[in-house]
Amino acid sequence: EVQLVESGGGLVQPGGSLRLSCVASGFMFSNYEVSWVRQAPGRGLEWLSHISTGESTVYYADSVRGRFTLSRDNAKNSLFLQMSGLRPEDTAVYYCARDDQIRGLEYWGQGTLVTVSS
Amino acid sequence: DVHMTQSPSSLSASVGDRVTITCRASQGISSWLAWYQQRPGKAPKSLIYAASSLQSGVPSRFSGSGSGTEFTLTISSLQPEDFATYYCQQYDTYPRTFGGGTKVEIK
Repeated sequence: EVQLVESGGGLVQPGGSLRLSCVASGFMFSNYEVSWVRQAPGRGLEWLSHISTGESTVYYADSVRGRFTLSRDNAKNSLFLQMSGLRPEDTAVYYCARDDQIRGLEYWGQGTLVTVSS
Repeated sequence: DVHMTQSPSSLSASVGDRVTITCRASQGISSWLAWYQQRPGKAPKSLIYAASSLQSGVPSRFSGSGSGTEFTLTISSLQPEDFATYYCQQYDTYPRTFGGGTKVEIK
């Protein structure tokens, strides 16, 4: 069974940093690209970032470019989203999703909540 | 960036109704369009990819059509578990963008 489990969310002050993790199981993680998507309270889905299988290509949304860094460790079946310079508007549930060039965001994790507040 | 516009933003329907949701792209995206369902408090679930292909395990009452800039999601006979919010997403170019969502509520 394909599973993606996010962790690392929590309460952080504006300007602070946080590192989210996403651990994958049930498939060959190294063969798949992965994306992060977030959802602010009561709002729609916002695509954030995407990483290729070998980490050679990473894309970011304008809203997080320069503040967030996406990386992966294929040996540990893990994905990491390093977030810095956090703002109140970054408050959201953050989801990782397996990203297929044909099938899109086929599998999603359950999400982890990040709250940016003083 | 490709802007995705969904309509309507919400609708009320009864069990058994046929429901159609539209998604428009600001530029052509071929058939690189996916639809997702999100129930309250839950993660999104993939329903359709490549505009018209059903993900494994998704009921056949869901269907998708379109290409280029105009796409539709149709639920042929609405079931109680289908009351949720639906999002389209283009994955033709980066940044990958979502529509604003359509909330399907019980009439």
